[in-house]
Amino acid sequence: AQSVAQPEDQVNVAEGNPLTVKCTYSVSGNPYLFWYVQYPNRGLQFLLKYITGDNLVKGSYGFEAEFNKSQTSFHLKKPSALVSDSALYFCAVAYNQGGKLIFGQGTELSVKP
Amino acid sequence: DTGVSQDPRHKITKRGQNVTFRCDPISEHNRLYWYRQTLGQGPEFLTYFQNEAQLEKSRLLSDRFSAERPKGSFSTLEIQRTEQGDSAMYLCASYGLADYTDTQYFGPGTRLTVL
Repeated sequence: AQSVAQPEDQVNVAEGNPLTVKCTYSVSGNPYLFWYVQYPNRGLQFLLKYITGDNLVKGSYGFEAEFNKSQTSFHLKKPSALVSDSALYFCAVAYNQGGKLIFGQGTELSVKP
Repeated sequence: DTGVSQDPRHKITKRGQNVTFRCDPISEHNRLYWYRQTLGQGPEFLTYFQNEAQLEKSRLLSDRFSAERPKGSFSTLEIQRTEQGDSAMYLCASYGLADYTDTQYFGPGTRLTVL
């Protein structure tokens, strides 16, 4: 069955430190991988995606993610966290172009000053 | 604003009542999706349309739920005889097969509370 796992419910980081939010997936074939961010009582905002090509993808607000096919992972990273990065982050996968998204359960990122 | 819009943003209803939500996608986006998100969970797929055709429905979508996209533009999601378990955020997303972004863009959601 297709699934996405975000093993950490919460990640706490000090401002200025690097952050990593983990995601692993189980999808047959070549997945389309996405990260979205959600602020309180808001919809989902697209951050970045991996479709094909370079395993390191760069997205909005200084975020990047690394696709690792052998480990079936797509971890979200940022070199220097900001307090304003505090939000709920979702990893998602689709198994074809324009297909439905399967989401992880989300990771709450808290960045303290 | 050229993004996805949803109306209403909040809906409070009593158990047993019918509710209808509307989603207006990004102009010329031919795919439109509905998801449901409960507290502490990731969004779950409900259904999607390509133009006016409903191409897939989740098993989550019980007989009390119906979605339409009659002219291939806006869509409505109706829930009949609401139950407390229907309380959730209902999210709409749109996607353009021709815009080469390969990305679903989400609206702000409609939060439903069933009393």
